[in-house]
Amino acid sequence: DIVLTQSPALAVSLGQRATISCRASQSVSISRYNLMHWYQQKPGQQPKLLIYRASNLASGIPARFSGSGSGTDFTLTINPVQADDIATYYCQQSRESPPTFGAGTKLELK
Amino acid sequence: QVKLQQSGAELVKPGASVKLSCKTSGYTFSTSYMSWFKQIPGQSIEWIGMIYAGDGGTGYNQKFKGKATLTVDTSSSTAYMDLSSLTTEDSAVYFCARSITTWHYFDYWGQGVMVTVSS
Repeated sequence: DIVLTQSPALAVSLGQRATISCRASQSVSISRYNLMHWYQQKPGQQPKLLIYRASNLASGIPARFSGSGSGTDFTLTINPVQADDIATYYCQQSRESPPTFGAGTKLELK
Repeated sequence: QVKLQQSGAELVKPGASVKLSCKTSGYTFSTSYMSWFKQIPGQSIEWIGMIYAGDGGTGYNQKFKGKATLTVDTSSSTAYMDLSSLTTEDSAVYFCARSITTWHYFDYWGQGVMVTVSS
């Protein structure tokens, strides 16, 4: 299985930029398609899709969220961070079955 | 609008089975995929398997083969997951989630259901 590695936590101030990284154990790109996706999860809630195929904003997601990367290294950026963004963020790959998730990065207030 | 409504919390005894449901609305069920996930509180998310509602074709995570069985009822736009021979290690929150492309990212999720296995 493809292993996705995320930092456990990130402390950020409101109004600042947050950069969350995800590294895959092997490439998750096929041709021009980067099969990495990002989710936000708040306690007691289901995950919410933020970014699909590395850089595409999901429907209804604010433009302060963006994604980038290719191959094995991917980044989710939140700029500026708002109070409502305090949550855990997961990356997920769909290059190979089974789809796998990172361990999550908990975004905290500094 | 798209909705995935899961059944309520379950308390089951070790060795028993449980059938979870995920009733959908607001989109064409028969041309979509439904996946199921396991999340132990405080931990990450595991993909259990997927079913294509159009023909009932399935794919499973090797880890959950023999544990989970996925089915659909297209007449009611509902997906089901049977979990068998339950142990305390199966206690978790289970989610259903839709994907509509073969890129398999999950754009709508059910609210989750807590399954507790305890004697």
